Amino acid sequence: NAGVTQTPKFQVLKTGQSMTLQCAQDMNHEYMSWYRQDPGMGLRLIHYSVGAGITDQGEVPNGYNVSRSTTEDFPLRLLSAAPSQTSVYFCASNKGLGTDTQYFGPGTRLTVL
Amino acid sequence: KQEVTQIPAALSVPEGENLVLNCSFTDSAIYNLQWFRQDPGKGLTSLLLIQSSQREQTSGRLNASLDKSSGRSTLYIAASQPGDSATYLCAVIPFTGANSKLTFGKGITLSVRP
Repeated sequence: NAGVTQTPKFQVLKTGQSMTLQCAQDMNHEYMSWYRQDPGMGLRLIHYSVGAGITDQGEVPNGYNVSRSTTEDFPLRLLSAAPSQTSVYFCASNKGLGTDTQYFGPGTRLTVL
Repeated sequence: KQEVTQIPAALSVPEGENLVLNCSFTDSAIYNLQWFRQDPGKGLTSLLLIQSSQREQTSGRLNASLDKSSGRSTLYIAASQPGDSATYLCAVIPFTGANSKLTFGKGITLSVRP
């Protein structure tokens, strides 16, 4: 049981490049989320999903796309990277019940030059 | 819009002290509140989850309380140890929102001196 896994761990992009941050969980959780963590700003929700085929926007969705074709995977796409997207990105999952805690991945540290 | 505040941003204590970390939130219509620990360069690990109908939760040396009416939660750490050094974050889920929509405080960075 690997929990929530994220790849890559580190990435450097040039402005305008695109890339996909991968997230997978093996706990059969319905709910998955993407957060970004910035100094002085804390963690902010980018997008979330309540099940395969269902996604919605969080607090800071601009510049990011998501899709959820399977229960296990929830990739985050940066369409045209900007320096403002330099951050640490965390994926999380949970069963979706009010009594359930969230499990976080180890994070992807992204730098956009 | 829900706002979650954690003050102070950093705290340094000698080993063995009992300490209290504070968390306040502006909208009392929450579904639950969670406390997380984050070690440098790592992801978040859940410590305690308190449902809105509960007053407190305990796990080992940790005790978290919740007072919805005043918009406050506290994390009590008994007999602190150097291994407790980390950043502690609280987060709330809104009563009407999806269970993935956590709103986080900015965290308290705790340093326990040997």
